[in-house]
Amino acid sequence: DQQVKQNSPSLSVQEGRISILNCDYTNSMFDYFLWYKKYPAEGPTFLISISSIKDKNEDGRFTVFLNKSAKHLSLHIVPSQPGDSAVYFCAASGDSSYKLIFGSGTRLLVRP
Amino acid sequence: EAQVTQNPRYLITVTGKKLTVTCSQNMNHEYMSWYRQDPGLGLRQIYYSMNVEVTDKGDVPEGYKVSRKEKRNFPLILESPSPNQTSLYFCASSLSDRAETQYFGPGTRLLVL
Repeated sequence: DQQVKQNSPSLSVQEGRISILNCDYTNSMFDYFLWYKKYPAEGPTFLISISSIKDKNEDGRFTVFLNKSAKHLSLHIVPSQPGDSAVYFCAASGDSSYKLIFGSGTRLLVRP
Repeated sequence: EAQVTQNPRYLITVTGKKLTVTCSQNMNHEYMSWYRQDPGLGLRQIYYSMNVEVTDKGDVPEGYKVSRKEKRNFPLILESPSPNQTSLYFCASSLSDRAETQYFGPGTRLLVL
């Protein structure tokens, strides 16, 4: 049973609009959450993270929101750009910060 | 340039033929990991290492071995590959145990016939 779920395999958004990528988790022991971005033929790269003691973290165009009661986090990209087209993975860690549990990924396409 | 390199990038092999995928980092990082990525499952950690001669199992270690004899290298060994090990493999390294500091390699695509 997957502990971290990304239920939308793909998302298509117009350039300039907001992209919202969602992630749900089941393990209440998770206390740190991360988003990674992956381009074809490359490894994932870290994008943004959030600790369970916060409900929002912002970095430029990227904002991650955490709703602990719903066990849900989301990544907002505003405004979306064609270069944001990639696969986005959410990941969570708990008692060991180096053990990450990844979701299955969401492929984002930003249309010019 | 800081990087994690993996070799080979692509490999086709047959069931039972031992193979090694090498991973090397030039950043003097202590922590290194191996992941596999499969459709619908995301990335799953196979093994990780916190320093030379210190390794531990991740979530899917069955059928794999690792060694960490030098800080920069962390090879992944498949003693007797099987078709269910067909996957995309990523090596990663980081200076600390903070996951967001991980650098990932470019990936190795393995097909086991």
